[in-house]
Amino acid sequence: QKEVEQNSGPLSVPEGAIASLNCTYSDRGSQSFFWYRQYSGKSPELIMSIYSNGDKEDGRFTAQLNKASQYVSLLIRDSQPSDSATYLCAAPGGSARQLTFGSGTQLTVLP
Amino acid sequence: DAGVIQSPRHEVTEMGQEVTLRCKPISGHNSLFWYRQTMMRGLELLIYFNNNVPIDDSGMPEDRFSAKMPNASFSTLKIQPSEPRDSAVYFCASSLGADRQQFFGPGTRLTVL
Repeated sequence: QKEVEQNSGPLSVPEGAIASLNCTYSDRGSQSFFWYRQYSGKSPELIMSIYSNGDKEDGRFTAQLNKASQYVSLLIRDSQPSDSATYLCAAPGGSARQLTFGSGTQLTVLP
Repeated sequence: DAGVIQSPRHEVTEMGQEVTLRCKPISGHNSLFWYRQTMMRGLELLIYFNNNVPIDDSGMPEDRFSAKMPNASFSTLKIQPSEPRDSAVYFCASSLGADRQQFFGPGTRLTVL
């Protein structure tokens, strides 16, 4: 089992819809979770971090964390074509519990 | 404030040549990561340094790859000899701790002919 797994995608949604991206992790002791966005040909950039159970909202983005079920999700409301990118989930894992990235979910928002 | 700096941004070389990629982390960060990204394999961790010491190098593909961090402000990733299958984008990232937010450099796009 991979330490951080994401729904593989690719995911396509129409403009204005809600995009839902999911991630599960294996380390029960993890305390910090991150969502990165990566545009084609660019480096990953942080868009959300979450540390506590529940929801965290930032503009059109909402991160949700459920430590009991070991999953973290990202909702993008009112999706825009500019949201088309690969989204990477990250959580502690690895031999030194360093931040470990999932394989990413490619999102396409159709105009 | 400068972010993570990588050089070169693009490298084209021939099979068998030595390639050296360079990274300057954000000042004050004590953790440094080297990643390789391809369409087929996604983002793969190659090696992780903490306080200039290699902690996890399990992702280094083989002996042709080596990485060093002689001081807190500089790291290199060397491939000798290079092979076409090494063609990828190599990212360097730094952070304030192993499980903290990572900041990525712009990447080096390596093409081995």
